[in-house]
Amino acid sequence: GIQVEQSPPDLILQEGANSTLRCNFSDSVNNLQWFHQNPWGQLINLFYIPSGTKQNGRLSATTVATERYSLLYISSSQTTDSGVYFCAVTGGGNKLTFGTGTQLKVEL
Amino acid sequence: DVKVTQSSRYLVKRTGEKVFLECVQDMDHENMFWYRQDPGLGLRLIYFSYDVKMKEKGDIPEGYSVSREKKERFSLILESASTNQTSMYLCASTRGYEQYFGPGTRLTVT
Repeated sequence: GIQVEQSPPDLILQEGANSTLRCNFSDSVNNLQWFHQNPWGQLINLFYIPSGTKQNGRLSATTVATERYSLLYISSSQTTDSGVYFCAVTGGGNKLTFGTGTQLKVEL
Repeated sequence: DVKVTQSSRYLVKRTGEKVFLECVQDMDHENMFWYRQDPGLGLRLIYFSYDVKMKEKGDIPEGYSVSREKKERFSLILESASTNQTSMYLCASTRGYEQYFGPGTRLTVT
């Protein structure tokens, strides 16, 4: 099956800093989603982005499908951005394969 | 607004008990999923359903069963709970490709 690798595994930022999270996948995909898991465990959809670039406020994402990676950008980070960021993909059908996540902590 | 609800946020059960975890979505989605999440292992798919009364095994179905009698409800059943089933359980649903998750149930089996 498809392998998904995320980096870095852990990240600590000062409030206001920018960051880039990376997701590499081992095969072509027809679905790629970024999620944020908050400290209470809720997984929140950030982007559905099998290719191209999208922006939503301080967050943006780019997927280069031909090179099998996706990037999530967080600008002007806030403490509420803390949590775990997951990338998940499918190569076909509806079964998502998740990466192991990036644990982000934003400090004052 | 997309809404997926789960019957309990926290649950404590004894070894050997039969446990039901309920998931309801109000978006008329065809597909529903059950995952468990454990530290260091990420999210792993237990079962999914693409229609009423239809089910397919995911990556770790052993020790679990599911029921989908109505489109909006997908139940996960632990026939005889064991301590290694202590975990966070997450339900999700989707019509197209985008999955939407419920708030999760943290199950402890003692």
